[in-house]
Amino acid sequence: AQKVTQAQTEISVVEKEDVTLDCVYETRDTTYYLFWYKQPPSGELVFLIRRNSFDEQNEISGRYSWNFQKSTSSFNFTITASQVVDSAVYFCALSEGYASNTGKLIFGQGTTLQVKP
Amino acid sequence: GAVVSQHPSRVICKSGTSVKIECRSLDFQATTMFWYRQFPKQSLMLMATSNEGSKATYEQGVEKDKFLINHASLTLSTLTVTSAHPEDSSFYICSARRTELYNEQFFGPGTRLTVL
Repeated sequence: AQKVTQAQTEISVVEKEDVTLDCVYETRDTTYYLFWYKQPPSGELVFLIRRNSFDEQNEISGRYSWNFQKSTSSFNFTITASQVVDSAVYFCALSEGYASNTGKLIFGQGTTLQVKP
Repeated sequence: GAVVSQHPSRVICKSGTSVKIECRSLDFQATTMFWYRQFPKQSLMLMATSNEGSKATYEQGVEKDKFLINHASLTLSTLTVTSAHPEDSSFYICSARRTELYNEQFFGPGTRLTVL
């Protein structure tokens, strides 16, 4: 069965601190996609990144970076020099690959990040 | 990027009434759309997969007769909550898949349903 676990329910940091949000996944598929979404208080999901299972390169986009490690089934997300605007709920998600591509997304429980000024 | 709209954004209704929520892909055609439900401080739970021109596929535990889904065109899917009750109050989010490649999905802004 597919499962995504975000063990950190809530994280509180002070502005300019670095923060890492953990994501651990389970799947039997050899081809799959991993995602991170941001959900601000308005409720609309904002796409942050997609990573396919064959690409283990880490990625950096501005203050955001992602560490994908298949060996530990983890896809962690780091925000460097956090800002108040980063306060939101962050979801990690998993979807099946080509073989049984129903398109379903399995979401983790979400991590609420609060960045204090 | 691709845009998905939902209407209404908020709805308050009396218990026993039915409510229809629309999900539209504004600048692309979507053969597949998804409906999620999100309770306060919880994650998104997939309710059903909506396929254009065919019946929706419901997740286990979701009542088909309670949550009617119609995907009559490549740009519109509707979710009707029939005989709504207070426990149906939730945040409903749709997404539309633009391509199967990378499972590229775009999310609507959500509809907050309150049943009195």
